[in-house]
Amino acid sequence: DTGVSQNPRHKITKRGQNVTFRCDPISEHNRLYWYRQTLGQGPEFLTYFQNEAQLEKSRLLSDRFSAERPKGSFSTLEIQRTEQGDSAMYLCASSSSGTRFREQFFGPGTRLTVL
Amino acid sequence: GESVGLHLPTLSVQEGDNSIINCAYSNSASDYFIWYKQESGKGPQFIIDIRSNMDKRQGQRVTVLLNKTVKHLSLQIAATQPGDSAVYFCALSTNAGKSTFGDGTTLTVKP
Repeated sequence: DTGVSQNPRHKITKRGQNVTFRCDPISEHNRLYWYRQTLGQGPEFLTYFQNEAQLEKSRLLSDRFSAERPKGSFSTLEIQRTEQGDSAMYLCASSSSGTRFREQFFGPGTRLTVL
Repeated sequence: GESVGLHLPTLSVQEGDNSIINCAYSNSASDYFIWYKQESGKGPQFIIDIRSNMDKRQGQRVTVLLNKTVKHLSLQIAATQPGDSAVYFCALSTNAGKSTFGDGTTLTVKP
């Protein structure tokens, strides 16, 4: 296993379009997190899953954002009707739920540019 | 709510010197405090963490100090190397796993 992977790495879209990103976590990890990072700032928590259950969502996750993890493995993050303010790096991380749960392994991110 | 701030947005050190990166936080309810390193074009990488009931923890070339009285966290890097150049984030974590990140300190190591 080579770590957390995210696809695509870059996405350019026009305002109003829908986009979907995929995250494949480390296979034995049952926790999965989504963060958003803008230039010069730390990652902001969006949501997290334990297996297929979405346990917490940030108020940053407006109704245009939805995340799924249908089989407890990969996850998708969809943004509907994109706005220029959605331009950011979207990071996915995974961790175990054992004693090392707080050690989150991050993927390389998907950079979204909304024109 | 929680907030996390770093004292200096940038830090420049000479190769071989020790580096100290500081972080202040406002919420005392965090269970863990974590340091991450982020290199250009990559996601953050876990370095070390410390439980809220501890005040010091050492790793390989790194030491984290936690002062709960003044709500201050620091990361000390011994014998800083060029490969340590990156952005460093402190983060507060709960037992549920949600992490709140600060804005980062950019460490530049001069040869």
